[in-house]
Amino acid sequence: AQRVTQPEKLLSVFKGAPVELKCNYSYSGSPELFWYVQYSRQRLQLLLRHISRESIKGFTADLNKGETSFHLKKPFAQEEDSAMYYCALSGTSGSARQLTFGSGTQLTVLP
Amino acid sequence: EAGVAQSPRYKIIEKRQSVAFWCNPISGHATLYWYQQILGQGPKLLIQFQNNGVVDDSQLPKDRFSAERLKGVDSTLKIQPAKLEDSAVYLCASSFSSGGNYGYTFGSGTRLTVV
Repeated sequence: AQRVTQPEKLLSVFKGAPVELKCNYSYSGSPELFWYVQYSRQRLQLLLRHISRESIKGFTADLNKGETSFHLKKPFAQEEDSAMYYCALSGTSGSARQLTFGSGTQLTVLP
Repeated sequence: EAGVAQSPRYKIIEKRQSVAFWCNPISGHATLYWYQQILGQGPKLLIQFQNNGVVDDSQLPKDRFSAERLKGVDSTLKIQPAKLEDSAVYLCASSFSSGGNYGYTFGSGTRLTVV
């Protein structure tokens, strides 16, 4: 079974401070990991995926297979980063090739 | 490109009534998903379609929920009869192929309140 855990429901940081949103996963094979974001009154949208090794809006995430983690980081948070963030996992075969989401972390960036 | 369209945006019904939600995915997206998102939780997959066939409906409460994707395009999710615990946002998503590596495109969802 595949499982995603986001231990923090709420996270507040000040503008300009570093931010890290934690994500741990459980999957027996080699998963594909994603971060999705939902800004206020907007639909859920893809932020980044580990296979792309990209930085989007200053956010990065590194897959650590040893620790089964995929934490989302940004060195200097901005107020417009305030949103709900979901970590998601996709298996790589059969019915596992579907997204399983964590429960989400509400990030608030304070002025 | 046009996004994933869902309707209605909001629905309030009494328990034991029936309700239906509609989804129109992005043109050319073969895979369509219905997710249920209860307040305070992440989205949970209900059913996955590949074209007009069901790939996975293991988490769909089949005694009350049903879904179809006729002609491999639009999809309808129905609840009959509804229970209080069905109150949630129902999200439709589509992707070019199965698996998450291309990313899913989500609709804006239908917020269902069962009273």
